[in-house]
Amino acid sequence: DQQVKQNSPSLSVQEGRISILNCDYTNSMFDYFLWYKKYPAEGPTFLISISSIKDKNEDGRFTVFLNKSAKHLSLHIVPSQPGDSAVYFCAAINAGGTSYGKLTFGQGTILTVHP
Amino acid sequence: KAGVTQTPRYLIKTRGQQVTLSCSPISGHRSVSWYQQTPGQGLQFLFEYFSETQRNKGNFPGRFSGRQFSNSRSEMNVSTLELGDSALYLCASSLTGVNTEAFFGQGTRLTVV
Repeated sequence: DQQVKQNSPSLSVQEGRISILNCDYTNSMFDYFLWYKKYPAEGPTFLISISSIKDKNEDGRFTVFLNKSAKHLSLHIVPSQPGDSAVYFCAAINAGGTSYGKLTFGQGTILTVHP
Repeated sequence: KAGVTQTPRYLIKTRGQQVTLSCSPISGHRSVSWYQQTPGQGLQFLFEYFSETQRNKGNFPGRFSGRQFSNSRSEMNVSTLELGDSALYLCASSLTGVNTEAFFGQGTRLTVV
């Protein structure tokens, strides 16, 4: 049972344009969400997070939007740069419960930014 | 501030052997979680430790175990290795293990032959 889904395995974007990565979840108990960027053979790098009490969080070029009613979140990268090319993972946690330390990850989306 | 440190980076073991992986969290972080990443299953949660106590465990067999020391450093042990245990093992540290950001180490690439 895939509780966090990233339905697009890959995304290709031109440098300078917006990248939009999407993530859906099914578990309504999830109340804290995170995005990670990962290069091969390295650990994921934390990018940005959002609590379920918010619908938007911004950090520089990265903005995460949360639509609780649709159980959907998205990561916007503006403007996209070639160095952003990596695998992006969406993760969720039930912060209010006893899921200590347990992030549930999506399958990842490979982002390629072309110069 | 130093990041999460995992040792060793690479390991090759034979089926039936056991292995111990180490993780040093970010200073001040008391929660350490372990994950297994494989191409087929993605990132799967193994277990979490906080103040030397295991608070949460994923769906892995008992061959996978861990512990945490008083300085928050953690070790993970896999006994009776199987070929399917070949994976990237990742450790993540966070302040509380709940609604705070988790930071990952570089991982240990385990190959079982």
